[in-house]
Amino acid sequence: DTGVSQDPRHKITKRGQNVTFRCDPISEHNRLYWYRQTLGQGPEFLTYFQNEAQLEKSRLLSDRFSAERPKGSFSTLEIQRTEQGDSAMYLCASSLDAESYTFGSGTRLTVV
Amino acid sequence: AQKVTQAQTEISVVEKEDVTLDCVYETRDTTYYLFWYKQPPSGELVFLIRRNSFDEQNEISGRYSWNFQKSTSSFNFTITASQVVDSAVYFCALSVTSGTYKYIFGTGTRLKVLA
Repeated sequence: DTGVSQDPRHKITKRGQNVTFRCDPISEHNRLYWYRQTLGQGPEFLTYFQNEAQLEKSRLLSDRFSAERPKGSFSTLEIQRTEQGDSAMYLCASSLDAESYTFGSGTRLTVV
Repeated sequence: AQKVTQAQTEISVVEKEDVTLDCVYETRDTTYYLFWYKQPPSGELVFLIRRNSFDEQNEISGRYSWNFQKSTSSFNFTITASQVVDSAVYFCALSVTSGTYKYIFGTGTRLKVLA
């Protein structure tokens, strides 16, 4: 493994459409995180998985957002009925020892 | 609640100048980690340093140094003899050592190093 991989790197979608992002963590990492970063801000925590269990969700994660990590490997983040306010960089990170993460390069979402 | 404040929104310096980026944090936990990350224009977050709350030793790594002071809840970052390649947004972050270990990031400081 060379790091955390995120796909796609960029996504442009029309308002109201659904989008799904994928994150492939470093293979031995059991912890996986999703963050959202809007322009001019620091990343904000969205959700956390330990293996396949989703253990925490931020209040930022509205009902239109859902995340999964089947079999404790890759993870997907889906946004339904996208809104312009969803435009942001979505960052995935993974860790093994809970002390420091490896971040992916992010998926930049633009809702038009 | 935890909070990280980076009061400097943007700093411009001329190449070879020294520059210090400020970070002030708030937490009631006694055990926590502090981090600095660099975000170049390409967007990825590059890890620079992690500091445990029990270790107040300052650290130097090449042109980078960090000053951790629990008395003032600060974790400042100094770049000596800045270079154009140092131009980026720098984030300070806090993580408590329990539960999810999620990070609380500051709003970042954009550093512009002019040739």
